Amino acid sequence: KAGVTQTPRYLIKTRGQQVTLSCSPISGHRSVSWYQQTPGQGLQFLFEYFSETQRNKGNFPGRFSGRQFSNSRSEMNVSTLELGDSALYLCASSLGWDAYEQYFGPGTRLTVT
Amino acid sequence: GENVEQHPSTLSVQEGDSAVIKCTYSDSASNYFPWYKQELGKRPQLIIDIRSNVGEKKDQRIAVTLNKTAKHFSLHITETQPEDSAVYFCAASQGGATNKLIFGTGTLLAVQP
Repeated sequence: KAGVTQTPRYLIKTRGQQVTLSCSPISGHRSVSWYQQTPGQGLQFLFEYFSETQRNKGNFPGRFSGRQFSNSRSEMNVSTLELGDSALYLCASSLGWDAYEQYFGPGTRLTVT
Repeated sequence: GENVEQHPSTLSVQEGDSAVIKCTYSDSASNYFPWYKQELGKRPQLIIDIRSNVGEKKDQRIAVTLNKTAKHFSLHITETQPEDSAVYFCAASQGGATNKLIFGTGTLLAVQP
């Protein structure tokens, strides 16, 4: 089975721009969660989707949003980028939505200048 | 709020020695505790997990123990090898029907040959 894939792998944007990141879960997995990883804050939960519905949301500003499609692929969007948004954005795929094993993608490294 | 504390932040051992990493969680409703290994520039990899109805779980050289009363869980690696060198993260599930994980701050394990 193919693993979790994320595109693009690297992205450089300037302040004020917006960005869309994509995640394709493992085949058959219906849940996708997103995490932000930074050296200072570690791994922080952004949001979680199951069957196209957002089931949970972390403590991030409204500039961070996401969605999930009927094929379970998910996108997250960050608008009005700030320097502090520079991070590795990881998505994790799981079969179900209640404390299931999660498998991470390779991440998208976002740099905001 | 929800919190997971992880110690130590760095750990250096000689090849063949054992390594122990400890975590404490705050949410008494947490019921799933995975451990991830992240090598430099790679994605977090699920190496072992334990659920709240189990006190100990072993997989070859890796074991995890859980003390629900004290809200402690630990990772034990025996007969360490240089390829065990990485950052290890513990995590606890948020209580309720969600895949949200609250991560510890990570332990950098260095195995000296």
